[in-house]
Amino acid sequence: DAGITQSPRHKVTETGTPVTLRCHQTENHRYMYWYRQDPGHGLRLIHYSYGVKDTDKGEVSDGYSVSRSKTEDFLLTLESATSSQTSVYFCAISDAQGSNQPQHFGDGTRLSIL
Amino acid sequence: SQQGEEDPQALSIQEGENATMNCSYKTSINNLQWYRQNSGRGLVHLILIRSNEREKHSGRLRVTLDTSKKSSSLLITASRAADTASYFCATGTYKYIFGTGTRLKVLA
Repeated sequence: DAGITQSPRHKVTETGTPVTLRCHQTENHRYMYWYRQDPGHGLRLIHYSYGVKDTDKGEVSDGYSVSRSKTEDFLLTLESATSSQTSVYFCAISDAQGSNQPQHFGDGTRLSIL
Repeated sequence: SQQGEEDPQALSIQEGENATMNCSYKTSINNLQWYRQNSGRGLVHLILIRSNEREKHSGRLRVTLDTSKKSSSLLITASRAADTASYFCATGTYKYIFGTGTRLKVLA
């Protein structure tokens, strides 16, 4: 399995609080992604990174920000969590873009916002 | 809207039978990938088929791609209980778009 660690694995928090999820990789892959998975929607891309300090928005980026200060770490922040952000969040990595490389996924963070 | 839409949404078969699931997409693609997700786990890459390929095999998996119909199918032959999972197709080069998945249940 690709070396991807998501933390925390589970979190319960209250509406309006800030939340940061961490994705750590040991593969030295250039590309990192954050997805959310909800019933009936499959996986939806939130943000992705194509290098240190290089990030771009995905399909559902509103309410989320990301940072990548090191190759191995990609942080997802909910500045002021809302109940609609209750979801399972997955981090993924890939070695190259546009060259038909698969993505490797972490085991997810289950986030509940009350 | 989802680029990939899997069909059926759910499938239940007996062990030893074949399972076929389909994926339709909307725009032109460079490649299409299939992933498996076991309950409570992340997605695992199964197979990638390029837009200039029509069929690809990997073990008990067979993937076909029809770019004229913008569709792909995943066939799992001689299914096992361990194949019980959700299966997703994905398209894209840097912004990957996943379908909503097919939930496969293989009964022992």
